[in-house]
Amino acid sequence: DAGVIQSPRHEVTEMGQEVTLRCKPISGHDYLFWYRQTMMRGLELLIYFNNNVPIDDSGMPEDRFSAKMPNASFSTLKIQPSEPRDSAVYFCASSTTPYNSPLHFGNGTRLTVT
Amino acid sequence: SQQGEEDPQALSIQEGENATMNCSYKTSINNLQWYRQNSGRGLVHLILIRSNEREKHSGRLRVTLDTSKKSSSLLITASRAADTASYFCATDRGYGGATNKLIFGTGTLLAVQP
Repeated sequence: DAGVIQSPRHEVTEMGQEVTLRCKPISGHDYLFWYRQTMMRGLELLIYFNNNVPIDDSGMPEDRFSAKMPNASFSTLKIQPSEPRDSAVYFCASSTTPYNSPLHFGNGTRLTVT
Repeated sequence: SQQGEEDPQALSIQEGENATMNCSYKTSINNLQWYRQNSGRGLVHLILIRSNEREKHSGRLRVTLDTSKKSSSLLITASRAADTASYFCATDRGYGGATNKLIFGTGTLLAVQP
């Protein structure tokens, strides 16, 4: 298995632009998670899905952030409009349970908003 | 919200030495997991230990869990330069007691000098 695949690996954009991050989870994993990592706040859970349905989005910082999972093999995290404080590394992870089994992480998307 | 707090924040040792990292948490848990993150990469799962277990081993890794003290430790024996990474603990219960997601600690940065 190729593992969790995220794209792009790096994204540089200007403030106000729309940003879309993509994730392909491991086949057969029913849970998909979006995390954000910054030096100041560490690793934060933004949202997670079970069988393509959003279960907990309490970590989504603002209405500017939205996430979708149209099918079992694809998810997107969108920021519109982007702001410099959104600069971070965004990770997607998948698992067979929400917390009782290992999470498999992608290599992340490093987002820089200027 | 942070649940686990790793200690120390940074650790530098010589190759061949043992490295010990600690994780403390505040609420009761069902399980605790340890992850490694190499620079520029996603997190990789190391060990999961359940609340009714006291110790687990995996190769050169040894994890202990003391639920009475709400703490866990990760021991890496005979360290190698390739062990240089950040190490995170994660628990399945955040503040407020909700058991539905994995919350990561702040991490320990381990540097193994060749």
